Amino acid sequence: DGGITQSPKYLFRKEGQNVTLSCEQNLNHDAMYWYRQDPGQGLRLIYYSQIVNDFQKGDIAEGYSVSREKKESFPLTVTSAQKNPTAFYLCASSIGTARNSPLHFGNGTRLTVT
Amino acid sequence: AQSVTQPDIHITVSEGASLELRCNYSYGATPYLFWYVQSPGQGLQLLLKYFSGDTLVQGIKGFEAEFKRSQSSFNLRKPSVHWSDAAEYFCAVGARYGGSQGNLIFGKGTKLSVKP
Repeated sequence: DGGITQSPKYLFRKEGQNVTLSCEQNLNHDAMYWYRQDPGQGLRLIYYSQIVNDFQKGDIAEGYSVSREKKESFPLTVTSAQKNPTAFYLCASSIGTARNSPLHFGNGTRLTVT
Repeated sequence: AQSVTQPDIHITVSEGASLELRCNYSYGATPYLFWYVQSPGQGLQLLLKYFSGDTLVQGIKGFEAEFKRSQSSFNLRKPSVHWSDAAEYFCAVGARYGGSQGNLIFGKGTKLSVKP
């Protein structure tokens, strides 16, 4: 079955360390997204990518970086510059970036930084 | 500015009772509207979408939603709630490409609890 795979499910890191979250899709979707979810705050967009080797900042890009070297993969790096990195991170994809393109989501990675 | 408001943060209903979750949007043109559901610790799943045509749309799991342009609303309904419907529900509106919120703008969600 086609879908989006995020790994790992749970991730623990020490403060000051960079950490990379994996996101792979086999839906042949052009667009991919990273969202951060905190209780009561809904979903906030970190970065998105329409095509390979291109990506745009979302509302809360500071302290994060991404790459899009392959259509299937869109890893997110949470750097030590991110002041409050503990959160639930969701990766999503869509066929295109038109506003009638539904998002398909992975099952998330919960990152805890201590 | 484009936005989505879900006025209710948390709703509790009894199993078997009817359900209506509210969603109001702000968008200058014809809106594309979506409802998603999220079980604890999981990703979001698309319940239904509205693009045009019949203002009452049917979705998965027995849910439906009605688009009311005059009220800028897209409320989600279910006639009889099951305990497995306990989850968080997100309304979203399709946005113009290139914005910092991406192509979908989400509301902050409504958490649904179901009493036995």
